[in-house]
Amino acid sequence: AQSVTQLGSHVSVSEGALVLLRCNYSSSVPPYLFWYVQYPNQGLQLLLKYTTGATLVKGINGFEAEFKKSETSFHLTKPSAHMSDAAEYFCAVSGSDYKLSFGAGTTVTVRA
Amino acid sequence: SAVISQKPSRDVCQRGTSLTIQCQVDSQVTMMFWYRQQPGQSLTLIATANQGSEATYESGFVIDKFPISRPNLTFSTLTVSNMSPEDSSIYLCSVEDPGTGGYEQYFGPGTRLTVT
Repeated sequence: AQSVTQLGSHVSVSEGALVLLRCNYSSSVPPYLFWYVQYPNQGLQLLLKYTTGATLVKGINGFEAEFKKSETSFHLTKPSAHMSDAAEYFCAVSGSDYKLSFGAGTTVTVRA
Repeated sequence: SAVISQKPSRDVCQRGTSLTIQCQVDSQVTMMFWYRQQPGQSLTLIATANQGSEATYESGFVIDKFPISRPNLTFSTLTVSNMSPEDSSIYLCSVEDPGTGGYEQYFGPGTRLTVT
């Protein structure tokens, strides 16, 4: 079974500042890890994924995440926040059965 | 990536009635999933729907309450039966992208259901 813990339900950053969203996972099998973003009144959009290979993965909109097996973490970062980054972000994990388990989500607000 | 549409986009329903939500994909996919997102909450998997077989339900979800059809490789429906206010949620379908083999899922825009 897999599970995800996202630390911090709300994160507020200034425009141009670093965005750091924390995600820790639990998995009994090699995990597949994902970050999704949900803008208000919209569905989920895939930001990036880790399946195998390089542990630093780059996604859309300048986001990247690093898979650290020893820490069971998959934190999401963006060097410089933009107003358009205001949204809810979900970390998710799956195994070979494709079933996604989502974290509780982190709401990001960006201050001008 | 697959393009997914859902109908209706939103609805307000009376308790005790049923609503069928449609999910259409622009390409053939093996695995389709239905999720529920309760207000202010994360997503919870309801069931997995594969064409040609019965849907597989997660713990806490039953076929009588959430019957699912999967008649072909591009379409699925989820029915929310005998609704109560607790069923007010966003219902999302997703598909596993067959083109990448990377296990990611792509989501429809969701159906926002309010039960009064």
